[in-house]
Amino acid sequence: NAGVTQTPKFRILKIGQSMTLQCTQDMNHNYMYWYRQDPGMGLKLIYYSVGAGITDKGEVPNGYNVSRSTTEDFPLRLELAAPSQTSVYFCASYRNPWGDEQFFGPGTRLTVL
Amino acid sequence: LAKTTQPISMDSYEGQEVNITCSHNNIATNDYITWYQQFPSQGPRFIIQGYKTKVTNEVASLFIPADRKSSTLSLPRVSLSDTAVYYCLAWAGKLIFGTGTRLQVFP
Repeated sequence: NAGVTQTPKFRILKIGQSMTLQCTQDMNHNYMYWYRQDPGMGLKLIYYSVGAGITDKGEVPNGYNVSRSTTEDFPLRLELAAPSQTSVYFCASYRNPWGDEQFFGPGTRLTVL
Repeated sequence: LAKTTQPISMDSYEGQEVNITCSHNNIATNDYITWYQQFPSQGPRFIIQGYKTKVTNEVASLFIPADRKSSTLSLPRVSLSDTAVYYCLAWAGKLIFGTGTRLQVFP
């Protein structure tokens, strides 16, 4: 298993540009999450999904959108990028919330200038 | 959602046992208690998880009292490589991270 993969690893955007951060897992996990982590801070939940076709907001959803058309993929869309979205983005997944380990991807470092 | 409270930072020396306590007063019946470790520029890494009493694996032990309002992560004989941020979570579905405990291990 490749686990949780994220692309790209790094990206620089200009203010107002858009992009999609990709997240894929090959473990047939139902639950998937997107977090952002600002320098020296903890992780903030952006969006999460409990299965294909089902998504819900986390703590900081403004400026982001997600979709979950398949079990494997959970892309995060940034529309009209702003400097405040400069952060490291982590995707995570697990099978179910009762006793399963959660797996994290390696992260995407995004800079908005 | 169960909110967790941990010490902001802790210091230790190599070879010592480190105990990090987490408070989760409003934990729900379905919530599991999970601890993660995070190194700079990396995603969090699962350490240990439990529901009640004591759980032990090859790297740590987790102690959970009967009321489940707190838990203690125990790291036996820490080394320099255990310097990291440790997060405690009590969750079932919507996984919210707290601020974590920054552990610094000195030689």
